[in-house]
Amino acid sequence: EIVLTQSPGTLSLSPGDRATLSCRASQSITRNYVAWYQQRPGQAPRLLIYGASFRVAGTPDRFSGSGSGRDFTLTIRRLEPEDSALYYCQTYGTSLTFGGGTKVEI
Amino acid sequence: QVQLVQSGAEVKKPGSSVKVSCKASGGTFHDSVISWVRQAPGQGLEWMGGIIPMFGRTNYAQKFQGRVTISADERTYTAYMDLSSLRSDDTAVYFCARWAGSCASSCHPAWTPPLDFWGQGTLVTVTS
Repeated sequence: EIVLTQSPGTLSLSPGDRATLSCRASQSITRNYVAWYQQRPGQAPRLLIYGASFRVAGTPDRFSGSGSGRDFTLTIRRLEPEDSALYYCQTYGTSLTFGGGTKVEI
Repeated sequence: QVQLVQSGAEVKKPGSSVKVSCKASGGTFHDSVISWVRQAPGQGLEWMGGIIPMFGRTNYAQKFQGRVTISADERTYTAYMDLSSLRSDDTAVYFCARWAGSCASSCHPAWTPPLDFWGQGTLVTVTS
């Protein structure tokens, strides 16, 4: 079973900053089957990115995903207060595994 | 637009079972892929398993094998998650979620895709 390790645990940044969130897998991920979710307090998660780099319709272009193999990154440019949330990476395919999450505080 | 509406909060005793429902509207139910994910208080997301109604096939996380049953009723567009032998650490919000895509053209029967649409969550509290 693949284990996803996200870092850092918490990011404290200012509006307009860039956030870089890391997701490292215990083994190489097939076909870049990595997704990223945003979860605000009291809400269900929201899918932002799939296939490591493809934005879901409605995801602002300030959000971008990259990576391959074992290492994946979610970058959020020009941070806005509404970006304060937990962010989870996930691998998919024949099962789903979530990382432990990164909290972004603005 | 796909909407998923889940059943209400439950309070259960240790050792009992709980069944949570998830009614879908919009999109096609038959060829969708529906997963169940839970989140313990203050904790991260944990996938429990999923189902593709058109195959009638379920796919469970190893951790929950033998304790969870996921099913789907195509007549009422409703998916269900039944968790047995409840323990206090099963206290969590349980979410159903589904993929925006369709298995109408072709899907592997065990295809477990990312989750575009989510239910509102159902809090299950296990307490004596």
